[in-house]
Amino acid sequence: LAKTTQPISMDSYEGQEVNITCSHNNIATNDYITWYQQFPSQGPRFIIQGYKTKVTNEVASLFIPADRKSSTLSLPRVSLSDTAVYYCLVTSGTYKYIFGTGTRLKVLA
Amino acid sequence: GAGVSQSPSNKVTEKGKDVELRCDPISGHTALYWYRQSLGQGLEFLIYFQGNSAPDKSGLPSDRFSAERTGGSVSTLTIQRTQQEDSAVYLCASSLPPSGANVLTFGAGSRLTVL
Repeated sequence: LAKTTQPISMDSYEGQEVNITCSHNNIATNDYITWYQQFPSQGPRFIIQGYKTKVTNEVASLFIPADRKSSTLSLPRVSLSDTAVYYCLVTSGTYKYIFGTGTRLKVLA
Repeated sequence: GAGVSQSPSNKVTEKGKDVELRCDPISGHTALYWYRQSLGQGLEFLIYFQGNSAPDKSGLPSDRFSAERTGGSVSTLTIQRTQQEDSAVYLCASSLPPSGANVLTFGAGSRLTVL
């Protein structure tokens, strides 16, 4: 299982773009990169997944360079409601998903 | 159902009592997972069920913990003789059979407090 490394915490102001980078140097050919968001008192929620290049949905964008050893979650124009913990996972056919401590994002007014 | 349902949402118990936590996964999801999350920490894998295969119990922290999944659907996590260190949020998730692009859907969790 590829290990991931991401910042423990980040602060941002409302309206700014937030980029959270995750390192996964040992990612394997069949692995995907998946991000989850967790609000207090809730379970994690899937926000975006990618294999290579760039993926965008209504919530976020995910940038993956050609070597796939890292990925960047981009949240455009954050609001206070984006304050949460963001987890980066490398997922393959195994079921042992490893959720680390994630990145605690705090959005300030 | 439309989502993963867990009950109870909150449980306060006395040290030494047994507790049962229930998870009702999304209909059609053959894979079911239990995680534990202590305050301010990441998720700790406990147990995994996939269809009719034998579950992977390798994450259970002690023999006081057990889980079953009846009829390939509802799962119950049982903690016997609870200890204060068992206090945590217990999260259940379900999914289709694991693959690289697999996505887990989590319930809201059951918050257990052992006094």
